[in-house]
Formats: sequence, structure tokens, C-alpha cells
Amino acid sequence: EAEVAQSPRYKITEKSQAVAFWCDPISGHATLYWYRQILGQGPELLVQFQDESVVDDSQLPKDRFSAERLKGVDSTLKIQPAELGDSAMYLCASSSRLAGGEQYFGPGTRLTVT
Amino acid sequence: QKEVEQNSGPLSVPEGAIASLNCTYSDRGSQSFFWYRQYSGKSPELIMSIYSNGDKEDGRFTAQLNKASQYVSLLIRDSQPSDSATYLCAVNDSSYKLIFGSGTRLLVRP
Repeated sequence: EAEVAQSPRYKITEKSQAVAFWCDPISGHATLYWYRQILGQGPELLVQFQDESVVDDSQLPKDRFSAERLKGVDSTLKIQPAELGDSAMYLCASSSRLAGGEQYFGPGTRLTVT
Repeated sequence: QKEVEQNSGPLSVPEGAIASLNCTYSDRGSQSFFWYRQYSGKSPELIMSIYSNGDKEDGRFTAQLNKASQYVSLLIRDSQPSDSATYLCAVNDSSYKLIFGSGTRLLVRP
């Protein structure tokens, strides 16, 4: 069964350090999303890619967050420097459609900033 | 601010009962609606999608959509303890951005 892959599954880092997350979408899915989920809330979109292009990054804190999908397949989300408030679950999802289609999530990365 | 509202629960039902989960949304232009199940510490898992008014059944799950009332629901028949989880309602708004509710926690008592 095709799945979205993410790594690492857990990350503990000190504030002001840099951290990076990796995602490999379901094969053939051109649309890739990064979400952040705070405990007790639903996921919130950070950035959406269609192939290698950013479609929506309006909610990405660009002073410290960056995302890339250079070859239109896997993607990396980076935080530099990390802050205590960045502690959350970072989820990657992919979809075969640009708009309105079903999104499938990877296992997520649980980030703890100390 | 486009919103998706869910009762946080917990909704407690006995094993074998029907669990009814509800969701309202604010954007009348929304076209796609989804239910995700999320176990504690895990990522959301897609269990139902619905695109037109009416009911859609898949095994023990039935999704119901009423666009005029801006209301989506999920019925789980013959509830099992393994159904205990948080259920997230998600709606594609008129710009096709997926907006999630905060989820309803379901507890199925053996």
C-alpha cells in the first residue's frame, strides 16, 4: 500500500538551533502539503507545493521557516532558529489533485523544543 | 475567517451503539468534505470523503452532507472500542484550502 514517508519521527532540539524534516509523498502525487498540528487542535497548512512550485505559503512564518521541493518529488521543511512555540506535530500530506482532492498524511514528526 | 466547528467532546457511547459526530462550516463555497480519524499520538487517517448532498456509506461509516445548512455528519454503526479516537472534520474552502476542525473525541465503552 502506498504511503507518505516522513523522517525523523521524533526530534528534540534546543531553542535557537536549526531543525529539518523530510517527506516523500505517495508515488505519482504531484501535490504536497506541510501542516503543523498543536495538541488539541486540527492541522493547519504551512505550505502547499504543486510539483516543485509553491502554491500557497501564506501561513508559513518566513522569517524562520523554509520549505523546498527541488525536483518535485520529496520535500524538506526547515526551521532556523527553533523557538519554544514551535513544539508541535509536523505533518506531510500528498494528493493526486491540485485542488479539492483527498489528502493522505504521513506519520508525522513530533518536535519538542527545549 | 473561514471556520469549521466541532464539539470537542468527549462523546461517550456504549459498544454496539451508533455514534453521531457533527460538524458545521462557514464557507458556502465549500465543495469537498472529509472525515479523518486520529488516534492519540498518531497522524490523521482519511476514512470518508463526500462531495454532494445526501448520504454516503462505507462499511460501518455513513457521511451525511447538507450544503444548504452547511452541515456535515459522520455516523459510526456498531461502535467498537477500537473506534475510540479523535475525529477531524475537514472542508475544502472556496480557494480549495483544506480547513480542519479541532476534532471530536469519541470514547466507546466496552
